[in-house]
Amino acid sequence: EADIYQTPRYLVIGTGKKITLECSQTMGHDKMYWYQQDPGMELHLIHYSYGVNSTEKGDLSSESTVSRIRTEHFPLTLESARPSHTSQYLCASSEFGRGPHREQFFGPGTRLTVL
Amino acid sequence: GQQLNQSPQSMFIQEGEDVSMNCTSSSIFNTWLWYKQDPGEGPVLLIALYKAGELTSNGRLTAQFGITRKDSFLNISASIPSDVGIYFCAGLPTLQTGANNLFFGTGTRLTVIP
Repeated sequence: EADIYQTPRYLVIGTGKKITLECSQTMGHDKMYWYQQDPGMELHLIHYSYGVNSTEKGDLSSESTVSRIRTEHFPLTLESARPSHTSQYLCASSEFGRGPHREQFFGPGTRLTVL
Repeated sequence: GQQLNQSPQSMFIQEGEDVSMNCTSSSIFNTWLWYKQDPGEGPVLLIALYKAGELTSNGRLTAQFGITRKDSFLNISASIPSDVGIYFCAGLPTLQTGANNLFFGTGTRLTVIP
């Protein structure tokens, strides 16, 4: 069954550590996204990608970086975690095109806590 | 980026009651989506709408694509405790420029009292 996966689901880490949040999808989608969401609040787009070797910044400025070396994989990295990075990070994917079928499918999220 | 106006922000209802929420934009949209997010999980797509006036059901959920193409509505009939969560609308403007990403509403937090 096609799906989108995120690991780890929960991460508690100390300030200054480097972390990578993993996201993989099996739907063959070209477009992938990262959102940041505080509990119960709205979604903020921080990165997206049109396909392999494409990365773009989203609407909310973020100190994180992303890479897209393979279609199915879109990891997010924080070089030096800080308490202000504490949040939930959601990965999503969708088809890429000009048609109306632009539904995004979300992973379960990674809840990051930086002490 | 553009935000969709979603209301109400929160609702407290008794089990068995019907629920209505809506989403409006200042632009004409050609796609409206409704998602539900359970605590600690990612949003799950409930209903997708592609034509003005379209009315689509998914079990006890019914959503409509507004005739003006600037709004959408979600109704939940006979609510049950597992309906608790945050409901997000999302849409795609007809005039597509730039990244053509979805715009998301600010969410409606639903609490169902048994």
